[in-house]
Amino acid sequence: GQQLNQSPQSMFIQEGEDVSMNCTSSSIFNTWLWYKQDPGEGPVLLIALYKAGELTSNGRLTAQFGITRKDSFLNISASIPSDVGIYFCAGHLRAGNNRKLIWGLGTSLAVNP
Amino acid sequence: SAVISQKPSRDICQRGTSLTIQCQVDSQVTMMFWYRQQPGQSLTLIATANQGSEATYESGFVIDKFPISRPNLTFSTLTVSNMSPEDSSIYLCSVAGPSGKGAGNEQFFGPGTRLTVL
Repeated sequence: GQQLNQSPQSMFIQEGEDVSMNCTSSSIFNTWLWYKQDPGEGPVLLIALYKAGELTSNGRLTAQFGITRKDSFLNISASIPSDVGIYFCAGHLRAGNNRKLIWGLGTSLAVNP
Repeated sequence: SAVISQKPSRDICQRGTSLTIQCQVDSQVTMMFWYRQQPGQSLTLIATANQGSEATYESGFVIDKFPISRPNLTFSTLTVSNMSPEDSSIYLCSVAGPSGKGAGNEQFFGPGTRLTVL
């Protein structure tokens, strides 16, 4: 099935550093969602984006809906150890999505304290 | 967002047996979904659980293997039938609902059921 191209696949950073990850698609999306999944847990919604160009923050997290509607990025500023986990992008296609989400393959984040 | 619980949280099962996973939501929701997440992988949609009608299955998933019930707007079950080791995965239910804006396209997830088949 269709998937989003999410990069990087993994990151290992020092505490306090900023992090950036992104998702791209060849199709137009009308919703972009960013989730975080901790080990042994279900994904937790971090940020939801609905308009092209929209820039939304949630604490140290900032995400943007690309102007072309084919990409989105998530930034984490001043990373801390509890940011460790797997981050997934997901989105709804513009037409006939039936609320079915298309998922990226995830970015695994490790933070060295 | 809705509070979603799943039972069991984990199980170890023998090949050829079946396991039924329950998903309970603390509020009525229109859309409920079942996903599979194999170790180290992303989420794969199994089916949409429709209240009062048969579930809608994605390509590669069939009702005989993954029967789903949705008797009301707060509860659903997924059965993994005639299990094999390849069915070892995390099974997640999710619900679609608004987070205060947009068209209610966000999905919220339960904690998952970790299944190991020997």
